[in-house]
Amino acid sequence: DTAVSQTPKYLVTQMGNDKSIKCEQNLGHDTMYWYKQDSKKFLKIMFSYNNKELIINETVPNRFSPKSPDKAHLNLHINSLELGDSAVYFCASSQVGDWNYEQYFGPGTRLTVT
Amino acid sequence: RKEVEQDPGPFNVPEGATVAFNCTYSNSASQSFFWYRQDCRKEPKLLMSVYSSGNEDGRFTAQLNRASQYISLLIRDSKLSDSATYLCVVNSDGGATNKLIFGTGTLLAVQP
Repeated sequence: DTAVSQTPKYLVTQMGNDKSIKCEQNLGHDTMYWYKQDSKKFLKIMFSYNNKELIINETVPNRFSPKSPDKAHLNLHINSLELGDSAVYFCASSQVGDWNYEQYFGPGTRLTVT
Repeated sequence: RKEVEQDPGPFNVPEGATVAFNCTYSNSASQSFFWYRQDCRKEPKLLMSVYSSGNEDGRFTAQLNRASQYISLLIRDSKLSDSATYLCVVNSDGGATNKLIFGTGTLLAVQP
């Protein structure tokens, strides 16, 4: 009974393509996130949505567009993929309101751009 | 200067050893502090929150020094299963949003 799930788990694609990663959480949380973990293992926040509203938008190329159809889903669409986009993308969720919240992470999507 | 800095390691220790990890953060407005654990090719998972007075969870003890902007994690009686990357994590904006800043992690390898 997975709490935060992502699809696909692996994604291999060529430069210039457009791809989407989907994320769903069944924890009833109202906040979801996208993180990127690069080859040096550095984990960095990209976006955060609270009840379908964008609340964190880091300095990310506008080729990356998050979409939240409802508070249980947060998808990430990437246009015109580049070699530097190769990374592991993690979705996470948490409940706002508790300062000591825990963020629950999905298993990650390993994106390889060739 | 990175917002959260950690010694990347690796720390190679024998089973049963005590090992300590340190972390410094740059934003004095930070209010929430955590240690996450990430196993190889897996997602990060919360190990423990860090409270101002220090806190302990079994073999794990976390300390916070706000004046020095310094966080530590002590692991006693290391087990093979403790081998992982330990991520120091700080809420970066005083709690206004849920934005967490992750350190680059410290790799721990516990040897039999």
